[in-house]
Amino acid sequence: AQTVTQSQPEMSVQEAETVTLSCTYDTSESDYYLFWYKQPPSRQMILVIRQEAYKQQNATENRFSVNFQKAAKSFSLKISDSQLGDAAMYFCAYRSAVGGGSQGNLIFGKGTKLSVKP
Amino acid sequence: DVKVTQSSRYLVKRTGEKVFLECVQDMDHENMFWYRQDPGLGLRLIYFSYDVKMKEKGDIPEGYSVSREKKERFSLILESASTNQTSMYLCASRPTGANTEAFFGQGTRLTVV
Repeated sequence: AQTVTQSQPEMSVQEAETVTLSCTYDTSESDYYLFWYKQPPSRQMILVIRQEAYKQQNATENRFSVNFQKAAKSFSLKISDSQLGDAAMYFCAYRSAVGGGSQGNLIFGKGTKLSVKP
Repeated sequence: DVKVTQSSRYLVKRTGEKVFLECVQDMDHENMFWYRQDPGLGLRLIYFSYDVKMKEKGDIPEGYSVSREKKERFSLILESASTNQTSMYLCASRPTGANTEAFFGQGTRLTVV
């Protein structure tokens, strides 16, 4: 079974600085997707960025980028120029790319709470 | 924009009550999910449905059941609520297809007293 581990329960960053959130996962599959979701105090889960495992190039979305290391099974999120609105819980998630049924489910890490200091 | 709507943001129920949590999506997605979110545990899958009247158990189905009579609606049922079911419940939907995104509702914070 696949597992996702976020080893940092809480992180803090100064406004305008850069922060990196860590995520590692365990799988025997070669084809899968990885995601970072943001959950602000409003509780609405929002997709931040996603990475297809077959792509070598790291995904980027504006100030958000990932460092995807397939061999190491590592998928970290870098937030540049941090803003107060970035304060939230961040969840790393895995989804298999093959098969149907429950294999299409997201498997989540336990989350990292990010605080942004003004 | 895709919208996933959960019927209540906050709910307080008594032990032993039958509780219904409703979720509706407006984008004709085949797949719908119920997750439970607890501090320090992340999100855990309770049940999953990939079509009308079809359901699969997730990681923690005990004490829960689900109903999907229409494609847009996925209900989570607590047959006899207990205090250990006090939690945040999140509904999500996703279209079928490999490279598709899941969309989440705003969550229901359920307290069982």
